[in-house]
Amino acid sequence: EDQVTQSPEALRLQEGESSSLNCSYTVSGLRGLFWYRQDPGKGPEFLFTLYSAGEEKEKERLKATLTKKESFLHITAPKPEDSATYLCAVQRTSWGKLQFGAGTQVVVTP
Amino acid sequence: NAGVTQTPKFQVLKTGQSMTLQCAQDMNHEYMSWYRQDPGMGLRLIHYSVGAGITDQGEVPNGYNVSRSTTEDFPLRLLSAAPSQTSVYFCASSYSLSTSGEADTQYFGPGTRLTVL
Repeated sequence: EDQVTQSPEALRLQEGESSSLNCSYTVSGLRGLFWYRQDPGKGPEFLFTLYSAGEEKEKERLKATLTKKESFLHITAPKPEDSATYLCAVQRTSWGKLQFGAGTQVVVTP
Repeated sequence: NAGVTQTPKFQVLKTGQSMTLQCAQDMNHEYMSWYRQDPGMGLRLIHYSVGAGITDQGEVPNGYNVSRSTTEDFPLRLLSAAPSQTSVYFCASSYSLSTSGEADTQYFGPGTRLTVL
């Protein structure tokens, strides 16, 4: 059975204090690993898709990496506006069934 | 483009009542799906559709019905609401596959918060 586990559950950072979020997965035939950001009361907002081990993608202060067993979301010099819940999801089949982790809630304080 | 839209934003039902959650997208996406989000459990797939007239069950389909008569719309019906269906519901859509055959990005709507008393 496909499994996606995110850690930590919650993370409190000072502004400028870099850190990493982990998403470990067990799935056969990975088609893609997705990172989303979710603000309170809103729908998930797409950040990155990673397709194969060794791939990296960056957007502003965020960088996502992928290995065969896990993905990391690195937050460099975070700002308070980076506060959100970050969701990881994997897709195995070609028609879009996403298996989500429970998310990591990040709070960045000034 | 409006993207993925959902109505209503909030709804309160009594046990046994029925209702339909609406979802529409204007991106000509083939694939649409419904998820529910509960605290500590992540998003779980309820039903999905790979095109007009084609639907299938996801991980937690019991108590929900769907149909897909057009590419744009994918309503979710609660037949007889139960307190266990209190949740936040999200609709998502994507092209079924990118031209390279890789998984394509799913875009989510703003959600419907449902409370069943």
